[in-house]
Amino acid sequence: NAGVMQNPRHLVRRRGQEARLRCSPMKGHSHVYWYRQLPEEGLKFMVYLQKENIIDESGMPKERFSAEFPKEGPSILRIQQVVRGDSAAYFCASSQNSGTENGYTFGSGTRLTVV
Amino acid sequence: RKEVEQDPGPFNVPEGATVAFNCTYSNSASQSFFWYRQDCRKEPKLLMSVYSSGNEDGRFTAQLNRASQYISLLIRDSKLSDSATYLCAVLTSGTYKYIFGTGTRLKVLA
Repeated sequence: NAGVMQNPRHLVRRRGQEARLRCSPMKGHSHVYWYRQLPEEGLKFMVYLQKENIIDESGMPKERFSAEFPKEGPSILRIQQVVRGDSAAYFCASSQNSGTENGYTFGSGTRLTVV
Repeated sequence: RKEVEQDPGPFNVPEGATVAFNCTYSNSASQSFFWYRQDCRKEPKLLMSVYSSGNEDGRFTAQLNRASQYISLLIRDSKLSDSATYLCAVLTSGTYKYIFGTGTRLKVLA
């Protein structure tokens, strides 16, 4: 029973390119949460999605960032025109229902480096 | 004031020592509390939940002080393998967003 799967593990992009990060939730889970961890900082909530719906994107930067969770396939976090400040570790977690009072299990993350 | 605050450390302790970390939170409506362990360049892993009555898992003890709005993690008989960053996480009633502290680094020295 695979856990939350994220890929790629490492992603290098030049400034101005696009980055696509993928997250496959645990089997049977339809809720996905994305977090970002900047160097020397804690994890910050970015967005909460259910299948085909964005529930809360209050933590997403207003520009260049978008997320989706289609009916089929993984959740995608997309960053357009990346800048050096986007370099961070991006983690996702999933749950079966909304409300996660048992704590998250995170995927192994994608480490984005913008050069 | 940050919603969740931790002393960044590092805490350097010898093997076998007992070490304790605190994590303060500002929102009195917070309802669920957790400790996570994060190794260098890895994902955070859930270590334990924190219950009002306190809970213990082997060498690890977690406690909640609602009056003073902090949680604590006590590690007894520290092992070299305990070296990591320990993150606290807080969930506010009626939300699904965990608020994480920036973590406390622990180094256990031989």
